Amino acid sequence: SYELTQPLSVSVALGQTARITCGGNNIGRTNVHWYQERPGQAPVVVIYRGSDRPSGIPERFSGFTSGNTATLTISRAQAEDEADYYCQVWDGTTVVFGGGTKLTVL
Amino acid sequence: EVQLLESGGGLVQPGGSLSLSCTASGFTFKAYGMSWVRQAPGKGLEWVSALSGSGDNTYYTDSVRGRFIISRDNSKNTLYLQMSTLRAEDTALYYCAKHAGFSGGDAFDIWGQGTTVTVSS
Repeated sequence: SYELTQPLSVSVALGQTARITCGGNNIGRTNVHWYQERPGQAPVVVIYRGSDRPSGIPERFSGFTSGNTATLTISRAQAEDEADYYCQVWDGTTVVFGGGTKLTVL
Repeated sequence: EVQLLESGGGLVQPGGSLSLSCTASGFTFKAYGMSWVRQAPGKGLEWVSALSGSGDNTYYTDSVRGRFIISRDNSKNTLYLQMSTLRAEDTALYYCAKHAGFSGGDAFDIWGQGTTVTVSS
């Protein structure tokens, strides 16, 4: 079965750039989606199809996928960006989520 | 307003059954694939099952195949998950999620608030 690997945690200083990676075999050939989950709230998609940003999501969120790695970049990180982030793909028959990354804004 | 509202969660003994519902509003329900996604306490997101807009195509994660059945009633804008032979490891918050398109490859653009299932004696 297809697997996605994310770091357990990432820390970023307020106002700096955070990068969260998602590793998977040939992930660059798939549509990767990213979700933000704040404590006590339902997940929200922040990037879809690798690099598209839904309306209402700040421009500081961006995504890039190539080879075996997808990357979610959060520029000028704000306190409200502190959350868990999950990558997700479809392998043809199942939806696969990464294990999630806890982003801490210092 | 686009909305998903889950119901049916509760406490059930191991080996028991439970049926979840998700009522949709604010969009053309039959045009979109739908999924159930769960989150065990303190754990990450785990996809459970998906269903095409027509209901013709169903997909399951291995751990629930043969025990859970996903279905939909497009006339009632409602998604269902029938769960049987429940195990302790099925304990989780169960989310209903809408796919942005008709394909399983589309992102989940709308999520409900979830309903809690607890499997315990």
